Amino acid sequence: DAGITQSPRHKVTETGTPVTLRCHQTENHRYMYWYRQDPGHGLRLIHYSYGVKDTDKGEVSDGYSVSRSKTEDFLLTLESATSSQTSVYFCAISVGGEQETQYFGPGTRLLVL
Amino acid sequence: EDQVTQSPEALRLQEGESSSLNCSYTVSGLRGLFWYRQDPGKGPEFLFTLYSAGEEKEKERLKATLTKKESFLHITAPKPEDSATYLCAVQGSNDYKLSFGAGTTVTVRA
Repeated sequence: DAGITQSPRHKVTETGTPVTLRCHQTENHRYMYWYRQDPGHGLRLIHYSYGVKDTDKGEVSDGYSVSRSKTEDFLLTLESATSSQTSVYFCAISVGGEQETQYFGPGTRLLVL
Repeated sequence: EDQVTQSPEALRLQEGESSSLNCSYTVSGLRGLFWYRQDPGKGPEFLFTLYSAGEEKEKERLKATLTKKESFLHITAPKPEDSATYLCAVQGSNDYKLSFGAGTTVTVRA
């Protein structure tokens, strides 16, 4: 357990509405990541953060934005949710540095109708 | 672009029936190969990191090995509690992200 919590754990929303997912960590790790997991695709990186207010895009960042105003919180926002963003979203942290082992949170299951 | 392919997609075993999972990869300069276990409805749980060809690591009934092109996860005398999806991921030497395979779902019947 790397001290990661995600909220909400489940969410159902409608197409076109904004959605924000929260990742919270308790151990002041610098590097945090957002992945999505879809059947047949494995986990894919959406965005990552290497410090407060420092973020960068991953391989599937279109339609997503992130913010990190505090070390412990990393927010993922879907500005206008689409059905293709129905997925399970995982937050991860790396312990020690950006190339250290990544540990994952419990996930948020999002359904966009 | 890094690529990871896991096989088989699904594996059904009888309790005590040993088997192996395969992870083939291409990466520009391997920094590490990672194995995770994922139970339904939960996040991936870290198992092993392998850094160089020839390296092996063990944990209970699991043993991971690494060559220059692939990694194997050997499950010896599995028990029903070993049922899970096993994920393989690679990280390049100049990269921050993990590239994951789609996973192998293992079901162990008593």
